[in-house]
Amino acid sequence: EAGVAQSPRYKIIEKRQSVAFWCNPISGHATLYWYQQILGQGPKLLIQFQNNGVVDDSQLPKDRFSAERLKGVDSTLKIQPAKLEDSAVYLCASSHTRLRGGAKNIQYFGAGTRLSVL
Amino acid sequence: KQEVTQIPAALSVPEGENLVLNCSFTDSAIYNLQWFRQDPGKGLTSLLLIQSSQREQTSGRLNASLDKSSGRSTLYIAASQPGDSATYLCAVVGGGGADGLTFGKGTHLIIQP
Repeated sequence: EAGVAQSPRYKIIEKRQSVAFWCNPISGHATLYWYQQILGQGPKLLIQFQNNGVVDDSQLPKDRFSAERLKGVDSTLKIQPAKLEDSAVYLCASSHTRLRGGAKNIQYFGAGTRLSVL
Repeated sequence: KQEVTQIPAALSVPEGENLVLNCSFTDSAIYNLQWFRQDPGKGLTSLLLIQSSQREQTSGRLNASLDKSSGRSTLYIAASQPGDSATYLCAVVGGGGADGLTFGKGTHLIIQP
């Protein structure tokens, strides 16, 4: 079974530029997450999708970050304009479905995209 | 707001030792708790998941316990090996409607050959 695919693996941009990250979840997984991991920190949830609908985006800085999952499969996360503090690893994860009724629903993570903003 | 703390931040031990990693969380209303492993340049690998109704889970040389009422979990690694060197992250899912994980900062573990 193929894992969660993310691209690019690395990206270097200057502040105020825009950048986009792509994620392809495990086949059949309805739930998709984007996390931001700053160096030395644990990952922080940015947004959760269930199919193509948003479940939780309470920690997404909506003035500069946007995300979409138009067909309920692949997803893109965009930053426009980027700031120095956006330098981080952006992790995508997927799970089979949402947590309900005792389902364990383990999240599977991609390798991430490392973003450096200069 | 849920906060997850992991102690120690870093640990270096000789090969073969048994060791314990600690995790604490501020809001006991959790759905489950997971332990992950993160290797440099790679994503996270789920090691163990404990439902809120469970007390412990075991997988090979790993054993994780959960005391939800006190907001604590421990990860026990038996007979450590150099291949166990990695960062270990503890994460919880809250009892509300969203399923996102809240992570601690991790414990950076080095096993000396």
